[in-house]
Amino acid sequence: AQSVAQPEDQVNVAEGNPLTVKCTYSVSGNPYLFWYVQYPNRGLQFLLKYITGDNLVKGSYGFEAEFNKSQTSFHLKKPSALVSDSALYFCAVRETGNQFYFGTGTSLTVIP
Amino acid sequence: NAGVTQTPKFRILKIGQSMTLQCAQDMNHNYMYWYRQDPGMGLKLIYYSVGAGITDKGEVPNGYNVSRSTTEDFPLRLELAAPSQTSVYFCASSQGSSNQPQHFGDGTRLSIL
Repeated sequence: AQSVAQPEDQVNVAEGNPLTVKCTYSVSGNPYLFWYVQYPNRGLQFLLKYITGDNLVKGSYGFEAEFNKSQTSFHLKKPSALVSDSALYFCAVRETGNQFYFGTGTSLTVIP
Repeated sequence: NAGVTQTPKFRILKIGQSMTLQCAQDMNHNYMYWYRQDPGMGLKLIYYSVGAGITDKGEVPNGYNVSRSTTEDFPLRLELAAPSQTSVYFCASSQGSSNQPQHFGDGTRLSIL
């Protein structure tokens, strides 16, 4: 069975500090991993994905994510947080089937 | 640049009423999905479709029905609304291959009283 876990419901970080939003996954085959962001009253927006290749993936708005196969993790990172990064972040996994599996989301608050 | 369009944005229903949530995409994506989002629960897949005329159940299909007569449209129908169906509903679409991300609409906020 495929699953995704986001162990932190809430992450607070000061503006200008690095941020990390954690995600671990469980799949039986090779995973396709995604990060999405959701702003209030909007749908999810795609940030970045890992399919294969380099373990460090760069995406939109200065975000990046590190794929770690041994730890089955795909943590989202940004070197310097902005207040405008405050939002809800979702990790998702897709194997070779037709369905995406989403984590429960992490609410990020960047404090000015 | 419409992408995925959902209508209506908000709706209040009485218990037992029925309604159809509309979803249309203009990206010629063959895959389409319906999710519900409840606080602290993430997204749960209701139904999905891999192409016109083909639909399949997701994780939480009970109380819902879908159809896919065209590539562009994927309506979700609630036949007998129940309070447990109060939620935010999101439609999404993607290209067929597994490495393509989903594109989401802005949701329909549905309250059943």
